[in-house]
Amino acid sequence: SSDLTQDPAVSVALGQTVRITCQGDRIRTYYASWYQQKPGQAPLLVIYGENNRPSGIPDRFSGSTSGNTASLTITGTQAEDEADYFCTSRDSNGDHWVFGGGTKLTVL
Amino acid sequence: QVQLQQWGAGLLKPSETLSLTCAVYGGSFTTYYWTWIRQSPGQGLEWIGEINDSGSTNSNPSLTSRVTMSVDTSKNQFSLKMSSVTAADTAVYYCARAIWRRAPPLSFYHYMDVWGNGTTVTVSS
Repeated sequence: SSDLTQDPAVSVALGQTVRITCQGDRIRTYYASWYQQKPGQAPLLVIYGENNRPSGIPDRFSGSTSGNTASLTITGTQAEDEADYFCTSRDSNGDHWVFGGGTKLTVL
Repeated sequence: QVQLQQWGAGLLKPSETLSLTCAVYGGSFTTYYWTWIRQSPGQGLEWIGEINDSGSTNSNPSLTSRVTMSVDTSKNQFSLKMSSVTAADTAVYYCARAIWRRAPPLSFYHYMDVWGNGTTVTVSS
Protein backbone atom coordinates (compact mmCIF):
# COMPACT_ATOMS: atom_id res chain seq x y z
CA SER A 1 0.00 0.00 0.00
CA SER A 2 1.07 3.59 -0.55
CA ASP A 3 0.93 6.62 1.72
CA LEU A 4 -0.46 8.48 -1.30
CA THR A 5 -3.65 7.18 -2.90
CA GLN A 6 -4.44 7.60 -6.57
CA ASP A 7 -7.17 6.08 -8.69
CA PRO A 8 -5.53 3.39 -10.85
CA ALA A 9 -7.24 4.47 -14.06
CA VAL A 10 -9.23 7.37 -15.42
CA SER A 11 -10.61 8.00 -18.87
CA VAL A 12 -11.63 11.20 -20.61
CA ALA A 13 -13.09 12.12 -23.97
CA LEU A 14 -10.87 14.09 -26.31
CA GLY A 15 -11.18 17.80 -25.60
CA GLN A 16 -12.86 17.36 -22.25
CA THR A 17 -11.63 18.10 -18.73
CA VAL A 18 -10.25 15.47 -16.39
CA ARG A 19 -9.18 15.61 -12.76
CA ILE A 20 -6.68 13.19 -11.28
CA THR A 21 -6.47 13.11 -7.50
CA CYS A 22 -3.86 12.19 -4.91
CA GLN A 23 -4.79 11.76 -1.27
CA GLY A 24 -2.28 11.78 1.57
CA ASP A 25 -1.99 12.74 5.21
CA ARG A 26 0.79 15.27 4.68
CA ILE A 27 -0.43 17.04 1.55
CA ARG A 28 -1.63 20.01 3.60
CA THR A 29 1.99 20.63 4.59
CA TYR A 30 3.95 19.20 1.66
CA TYR A 31 2.45 20.22 -1.65
CA ALA A 32 2.22 17.40 -4.15
CA SER A 33 4.14 17.48 -7.38
CA TRP A 34 2.90 15.70 -10.49
CA TYR A 35 4.72 13.71 -13.15
CA GLN A 36 3.65 12.46 -16.55
CA GLN A 37 5.20 9.26 -17.84
CA LYS A 38 4.75 7.82 -21.29
CA PRO A 39 5.84 4.28 -22.18
CA GLY A 40 9.58 3.88 -22.37
CA GLN A 41 10.26 7.43 -21.19
CA ALA A 42 11.47 9.01 -17.99
CA PRO A 43 8.87 10.86 -15.94
CA LEU A 44 8.29 14.52 -16.75
CA LEU A 45 7.41 17.12 -14.13
CA VAL A 46 4.13 18.84 -15.05
CA ILE A 47 2.99 20.59 -11.85
CA TYR A 48 4.67 21.55 -8.58
CA GLY A 49 3.87 23.66 -5.54
CA GLU A 50 0.50 25.35 -5.28
CA ASN A 51 0.00 25.44 -9.05
CA ASN A 52 3.25 25.93 -10.93
CA ARG A 53 4.10 24.65 -14.38
CA PRO A 54 7.69 24.16 -15.55
CA SER A 55 8.66 25.86 -18.76
CA GLY A 56 7.25 24.03 -21.75
CA ILE A 57 4.27 22.46 -20.00
CA PRO A 58 1.01 23.54 -21.65
CA ASP A 59 -1.33 25.72 -19.64
CA ARG A 60 -4.08 23.12 -19.94
CA PHE A 61 -2.34 21.44 -16.98
CA SER A 62 -3.15 22.90 -13.58
CA GLY A 63 -2.94 21.85 -9.96
CA SER A 64 -4.85 22.50 -6.77
CA THR A 65 -4.97 21.33 -3.17
CA SER A 66 -7.92 20.99 -0.84
CA GLY A 67 -7.36 19.53 2.58
CA ASN A 68 -5.41 16.31 2.22
CA THR A 69 -6.16 15.91 -1.49
CA ALA A 70 -4.13 17.26 -4.38
CA SER A 71 -5.58 17.39 -7.87
CA LEU A 72 -4.13 17.58 -11.33
CA THR A 73 -6.59 18.97 -13.86
CA ILE A 74 -6.20 18.79 -17.62
CA THR A 75 -8.54 21.16 -19.44
CA GLY A 76 -9.18 20.37 -23.09
CA THR A 77 -7.39 17.02 -22.95
CA GLN A 78 -5.36 16.13 -26.01
CA ALA A 79 -4.52 12.70 -27.37
CA GLU A 80 -0.87 13.21 -26.41
CA ASP A 81 -1.88 13.56 -22.76
CA GLU A 82 -2.57 9.83 -22.59
CA ALA A 83 0.00 8.63 -20.08
CA ASP A 84 0.57 7.52 -16.50
CA TYR A 85 0.47 10.29 -13.91
CA PHE A 86 2.21 10.06 -10.55
CA CYS A 87 2.08 12.37 -7.55
CA THR A 88 4.68 12.76 -4.82
CA SER A 89 4.54 14.16 -1.34
CA ARG A 90 5.70 13.22 2.14
CA ASP A 91 4.87 9.88 3.74
CA SER A 92 2.39 9.65 6.62
CA ASN A 93 5.18 9.97 9.19
CA GLY A 94 6.49 13.08 7.48
CA ASP A 95 10.00 11.66 7.17
CA HIS A 96 10.42 10.49 3.58
CA TRP A 97 9.21 11.20 0.07
CA VAL A 98 6.80 8.78 -1.56
CA PHE A 99 5.05 8.37 -4.88
CA GLY A 100 1.41 7.61 -5.37
CA GLY A 101 0.58 4.38 -7.14
CA GLY A 102 -0.07 6.22 -10.39
CA THR A 103 -3.13 6.89 -12.55
CA LYS A 104 -3.34 5.61 -16.09
CA LEU A 105 -5.12 8.23 -18.18
CA THR A 106 -6.87 7.04 -21.30
CA VAL A 107 -8.07 9.58 -23.85
CA LEU A 108 -11.11 8.32 -25.72
CA GLN B 1 20.16 23.43 -19.76
CA VAL B 2 20.87 20.96 -17.02
CA GLN B 3 21.27 17.35 -18.06
CA LEU B 4 21.81 14.20 -16.04
CA GLN B 5 23.79 11.35 -17.53
CA GLN B 6 23.73 8.07 -15.65
CA TRP B 7 25.55 4.80 -16.03
CA GLY B 8 26.24 1.53 -14.25
CA ALA B 9 26.18 -2.23 -14.58
CA GLY B 10 22.96 -3.51 -16.09
CA LEU B 11 23.16 -7.20 -15.22
CA LEU B 12 23.83 -8.48 -11.73
CA LYS B 13 23.69 -11.80 -9.95
CA PRO B 14 21.81 -12.20 -6.68
CA SER B 15 23.81 -11.00 -3.66
CA GLU B 16 25.96 -8.66 -5.75
CA THR B 17 26.11 -4.89 -5.26
CA LEU B 18 24.35 -2.52 -7.62
CA SER B 19 26.42 0.54 -8.47
CA LEU B 20 25.14 3.54 -10.44
CA THR B 21 26.55 7.00 -11.04
CA CYS B 22 24.86 10.14 -12.31
CA ALA B 23 26.73 13.14 -13.69
CA VAL B 24 25.30 16.66 -13.67
CA TYR B 25 26.05 18.81 -16.72
CA GLY B 26 25.21 22.43 -17.31
CA GLY B 27 24.14 23.52 -13.86
CA SER B 28 25.01 24.03 -10.24
CA PHE B 29 25.56 21.08 -7.98
CA THR B 30 24.80 22.97 -4.79
CA THR B 31 21.40 23.80 -3.20
CA TYR B 32 19.76 20.75 -4.73
CA TYR B 33 18.92 17.26 -3.55
CA TRP B 34 20.20 14.52 -5.82
CA THR B 35 17.74 11.71 -5.97
CA TRP B 36 17.40 8.08 -6.99
CA ILE B 37 14.10 6.55 -8.07
CA ARG B 38 13.33 3.14 -9.48
CA GLN B 39 10.52 1.51 -11.39
CA SER B 40 10.02 -2.23 -11.43
CA PRO B 41 8.63 -3.72 -14.65
CA GLY B 42 5.03 -2.69 -15.12
CA GLN B 43 4.95 -0.99 -11.73
CA GLY B 44 4.92 2.49 -10.30
CA LEU B 45 7.75 4.73 -9.18
CA GLU B 46 9.60 4.11 -5.93
CA TRP B 47 11.68 6.80 -4.22
CA ILE B 48 15.00 5.30 -3.15
CA GLY B 49 16.60 8.30 -1.50
CA GLU B 50 18.35 11.62 -1.89
CA ILE B 51 21.62 13.29 -1.00
CA ASN B 52 22.66 16.93 -1.00
CA ASP B 53 26.02 18.43 -1.89
CA SER B 54 27.08 18.27 1.74
CA GLY B 55 26.50 14.53 1.82
CA SER B 56 23.40 14.60 3.97
CA THR B 57 21.14 11.70 3.03
CA ASN B 58 17.58 10.54 3.44
CA SER B 59 16.43 7.18 2.13
CA ASN B 60 13.43 4.92 1.86
CA PRO B 61 13.19 3.04 5.15
CA SER B 62 12.53 -0.20 3.29
CA LEU B 63 15.91 0.12 1.54
CA THR B 64 18.07 2.05 4.01
CA SER B 65 19.96 -0.99 5.29
CA ARG B 66 21.21 -1.80 1.76
CA VAL B 67 21.61 1.66 0.25
CA THR B 68 24.65 3.91 0.25
CA MET B 69 24.61 7.27 -1.51
CA SER B 70 27.57 9.54 -2.07
CA VAL B 71 28.55 12.71 -3.91
CA ASP B 72 31.71 13.82 -5.63
CA THR B 73 31.41 17.59 -5.86
CA SER B 74 34.70 17.88 -7.74
CA LYS B 75 33.13 15.95 -10.61
CA ASN B 76 29.49 17.03 -10.15
CA GLN B 77 28.53 13.41 -9.73
CA PHE B 78 26.50 11.40 -7.29
CA SER B 79 26.29 7.67 -6.84
CA LEU B 80 24.10 4.88 -5.54
CA LYS B 81 25.18 1.54 -4.19
CA MET B 82 22.69 -1.12 -3.20
CA SER B 83 24.02 -4.29 -1.62
CA SER B 84 22.72 -7.85 -1.63
CA VAL B 85 20.46 -7.42 -4.62
CA THR B 86 17.74 -9.92 -5.45
CA ALA B 87 15.37 -10.35 -8.36
CA ALA B 88 13.03 -7.90 -6.60
CA ASP B 89 15.58 -5.16 -7.32
CA THR B 90 15.18 -5.61 -11.07
CA ALA B 91 14.01 -2.22 -12.27
CA VAL B 92 14.77 0.88 -14.28
CA TYR B 93 16.75 3.20 -12.02
CA TYR B 94 16.51 6.94 -12.54
CA CYS B 95 18.56 9.76 -11.13
CA ALA B 96 16.90 13.15 -10.73
CA ARG B 97 17.46 16.64 -9.38
CA ALA B 98 15.11 17.60 -6.55
CA ILE B 99 14.26 21.03 -5.25
CA TRP B 100 12.90 21.51 -1.76
CA ARG B 101 11.63 24.92 -0.74
CA ARG B 102 9.63 26.44 2.07
CA ALA B 103 6.22 27.81 1.10
CA PRO B 104 5.30 30.32 3.81
CA PRO B 105 3.88 30.26 6.29
CA LEU B 106 4.01 26.57 7.17
CA SER B 107 4.18 24.52 3.98
CA PHE B 108 6.86 23.08 1.72
CA TYR B 109 7.13 22.07 -1.85
CA HIS B 110 9.43 19.46 -3.30
CA TYR B 111 9.77 18.40 -6.88
CA MET B 112 12.10 16.61 -9.27
CA ASP B 113 12.57 18.79 -12.30
CA VAL B 114 15.39 17.11 -14.20
CA TRP B 115 15.66 13.38 -14.77
CA GLY B 116 18.21 11.04 -16.22
CA ASN B 117 17.21 8.66 -18.97
CA GLY B 118 17.19 5.64 -16.72
CA THR B 119 19.37 2.56 -16.41
CA THR B 120 17.84 -0.88 -16.67
CA VAL B 121 19.18 -3.18 -13.98
CA THR B 122 18.38 -6.88 -14.15
CA VAL B 123 19.19 -9.26 -11.33
CA SER B 124 19.34 -12.85 -12.48
CA SER B 125 21.38 -15.91 -11.72
